[in-house]
Amino acid sequence: DAGITQSPRYKITETGRQVTLMCHQTWSHSYMFWYRQDLGHGLRLIYYSAAADITDKGEVPDGYVVSRSKTENFPLTLESATRSQTSVYFCASTTGALEQYFGPGTRLTVT
Amino acid sequence: RKEVEQDPGPFNVPEGATVAFNCTYSNSASQSFFWYRQDCRKEPKLLMSVYSSGNEDGRFTAQLNRASQYISLLIRDSKLSDSATYLCVVNILFSGAGSYQLTFGKGTKLSVIP
Repeated sequence: DAGITQSPRYKITETGRQVTLMCHQTWSHSYMFWYRQDLGHGLRLIYYSAAADITDKGEVPDGYVVSRSKTENFPLTLESATRSQTSVYFCASTTGALEQYFGPGTRLTVT
Repeated sequence: RKEVEQDPGPFNVPEGATVAFNCTYSNSASQSFFWYRQDCRKEPKLLMSVYSSGNEDGRFTAQLNRASQYISLLIRDSKLSDSATYLCVVNILFSGAGSYQLTFGKGTKLSVIP
């Protein structure tokens, strides 16, 4: 039972580069979420998706793009990475109950 | 005012101690409440839901006071394995797809000392 996976687990990129973080879940959960976690801020919602082809902004969406062409995948793209986007990114999913299941996270460093 | 506020700690307690965490939330429309646990450099995981009548799961007891907009978590007989950050989490009911959004507190760090 793979559950929810994220790749890469660690990424270093340069300012201005485009980078995509992948999220894959095997449960066929309808809802998926992207969060970033920073010291002093806790977990903040970037984008969420209620189903394939349905996405919406969360609290901090600027600089990020998402897509969801398949239920199981929810990639997050930083179109032009900035140092302020250095963070730990967590993907999560739920079937519609309120408990969210989180992936292991991606540690992104923008130099 | 932050939507969900917690004492950041750290709380350093000896094994066997009882420790209590508190959390306040600002939106009276909040519907559901949870405690999540996050180990260092790991993902958050649900510890327990919090019900209006209060609920217990082994050594863990959660309480909710809607009038005061206050949530608590009590850990009895602390174990070394309880060392983690505890996140207070609230669901504010939105319409449509947004209804499953969770709002997280910044977390309270607990260290249980031998």
